[in-house]
Amino acid sequence: DTEVTQTPKHLVMGMTNKKSLKCEQHMGHRAMYWYKQKAKKPPELMFVYSYEKLSINESVPSRFSPECPNSSLLNLHLHALQPEDSALYLCASSHVGAGELFFGEGSRLTVL
Amino acid sequence: LAKTTQPISMDSYEGQEVNITCSHNNIATNDYITWYQQFPSQGPRFIIQGYKTKVTNEVASLFIPADRKSSTLSLPRVSLSDTAVYYCLVGDNLISSGSARQLTFGSGTQLTVLP
Repeated sequence: DTEVTQTPKHLVMGMTNKKSLKCEQHMGHRAMYWYKQKAKKPPELMFVYSYEKLSINESVPSRFSPECPNSSLLNLHLHALQPEDSALYLCASSHVGAGELFFGEGSRLTVL
Repeated sequence: LAKTTQPISMDSYEGQEVNITCSHNNIATNDYITWYQQFPSQGPRFIIQGYKTKVTNEVASLFIPADRKSSTLSLPRVSLSDTAVYYCLVGDNLISSGSARQLTFGSGTQLTVLP
């Protein structure tokens, strides 16, 4: 199994909603990542988890809250988002110290 | 910080070899060079990683000169399905360092393969 599975594929939410994006992998990877990608732009790193602990937070607003409940799962909790947060949210995983990241297909988020 | 510079776009024809160059003048001793491919509305896909000289796999080759200040991704005999954005990343692969350099995507190169 060499897949990173992200759900939902599409999400529409209002600015007062609370929702979550989920990511799952079964490759035994102990590093997991969240990226945000706007149209025609490169992916921007948001968070990195290493051995289920938050290692890197790229100064992301607190309305985005990551969670890594176990080595296979990564969540991104969303609350009080703004329309400018609409983007493709990509999850990735890798072995710690490896240069090859495996990406999911992404969750397309629209904030109204 | 090893910032990368790539051409914004390139056009090629089916069956040709395509070479995409990435400049990284401030590359550090422990840094690797990694290339990804991305299709619209999909996550990036790892292509190849190298440290020096030449690396080859089943889809591409990566050429790195001795000074390592640049690198060239070579795609042999491209097809229409190779139309995508190609990203060059530079970093030491060490998450524990707290550094996100190897995880930072540059602007990328839009490759368009024409029939």
